[in-house]
Amino acid sequence: DTAVSQTPKYLVTQMGNDKSIKCEQNLGHDTMYWYKQDSKKFLKIMFSYNNKELIINETVPNRFSPKSPDKAHLNLHINSLELGDSAVYFCASSQDPGGSTEAFFGQGTRLTVV
Amino acid sequence: GDSVTQMEGPVTLSEEAFLTINCTYTATGYPSLFWYVQYPGEGLQLLLKATKADDKGSNKGFEATYRKETTSFHLEKGSVQVSDSAVYFCALRTNTGNQFYFGTGTSLTVIP
Repeated sequence: DTAVSQTPKYLVTQMGNDKSIKCEQNLGHDTMYWYKQDSKKFLKIMFSYNNKELIINETVPNRFSPKSPDKAHLNLHINSLELGDSAVYFCASSQDPGGSTEAFFGQGTRLTVV
Repeated sequence: GDSVTQMEGPVTLSEEAFLTINCTYTATGYPSLFWYVQYPGEGLQLLLKATKADDKGSNKGFEATYRKETTSFHLEKGSVQVSDSAVYFCALRTNTGNQFYFGTGTSLTVIP
């Protein structure tokens, strides 16, 4: 049973297109995150939701819009894709928004914009 | 602000060598500290954690001790294997914060 699952695993698309990445967790966690990992492996927080409410919204272009239909799902929609959006996007979840519990990560979505 | 500084890589070791990857942190409050490992093409997996000063986290032969006096959480393993080749991330989470702060990652390659 996969704890945090993302789809798709690979996404190749042209500049200007709109795409979505889906994430689901079956751990019963309250908090979910989106991270972006660049080619140098640096991880940058993008968004965090707690019980469907946005609690972290880092400096990210407004072409990126997260949506949390329920606390088990956090999707990421990207409009007007640009070359610089190419990266690996990771979804993660944790039990609470602050504390000692670890985050569980999905397998990542490798987005390539051509 | 909260942050993690991690030893830069890449690190290349021979099998059975001793491994140390340095990690220091800056945090308000009382953070929990984590080491994550990322194997090629995969997501991050928790390797070990420590939630208070002087705690030692350990897993799969890896260890790290939470040192509040030096604000450090260095990762060690006595004898590395080829299968340990991966990228290792140090991370912290404060008891009041809403996110995890990650170091820049250290790539480890173990050669036979």
